[in-house]
Amino acid sequence: GENVEQHPSTLSVQEGDSAVIKCTYSDSASNYFPWYKQELGKGPQLIIDIRSNVGEKKDQRIAVTLNKTAKHFSLHITETQPEDSAVYFCAALINDMRFGAGTRLTVKP
Amino acid sequence: DVKVTQSSRYLVKRTGEKVFLECVQDMDHENMFWYRQDPGLGLRLIYFSYDVKMKEKGDIPEGYSVSREKKERFSLILESASTNQTSMYLCASSMTGRNGYTFGSGTRLTVV
Repeated sequence: GENVEQHPSTLSVQEGDSAVIKCTYSDSASNYFPWYKQELGKGPQLIIDIRSNVGEKKDQRIAVTLNKTAKHFSLHITETQPEDSAVYFCAALINDMRFGAGTRLTVKP
Repeated sequence: DVKVTQSSRYLVKRTGEKVFLECVQDMDHENMFWYRQDPGLGLRLIYFSYDVKMKEKGDIPEGYSVSREKKERFSLILESASTNQTSMYLCASSMTGRNGYTFGSGTRLTVV
């Protein structure tokens, strides 16, 4: 089955800096790659997604890139703010969604 | 605002008890899922359902069962709770198999 690996497990940045989280997947048939943000005490919320026919997608300060050949995709957050602090999960979908282990992002004011 | 609602935020149960976790979605989604979330392990799929009365095992179904009698409701059942089932349980739903999931806020279950 699909296996998704996510790095780093923790990431600390200064407010205003950029943050990058990387994921790799094993099954080349995966065709949909969402990213979720989970704040304390809440369920994960979809923040951005990308399909396998697209290489990059951007939404304000967040962007996702996909390299199908290398089977990896990344989340980029620019101009980080303290409210970006959360746990971020990547996922890959074939028949069901497979999640990475999560990255705890801390943005220091 | 579309929602997935989990009936309890926190539960404390005793070892051996039968536990019901309820999940209701108001989006008319066909697909519903139960995950458990543990530190360092991410989200692991317990059971899922693509239709009423239908259920499929995920990666870690042992010790759990599910019920989907109505499209909007998907229940997770711990037949005889054990301490290793202490965890955060997340319910999710989706319209088709090709879109992102909508998650509930989670139920933090402690088995003592």
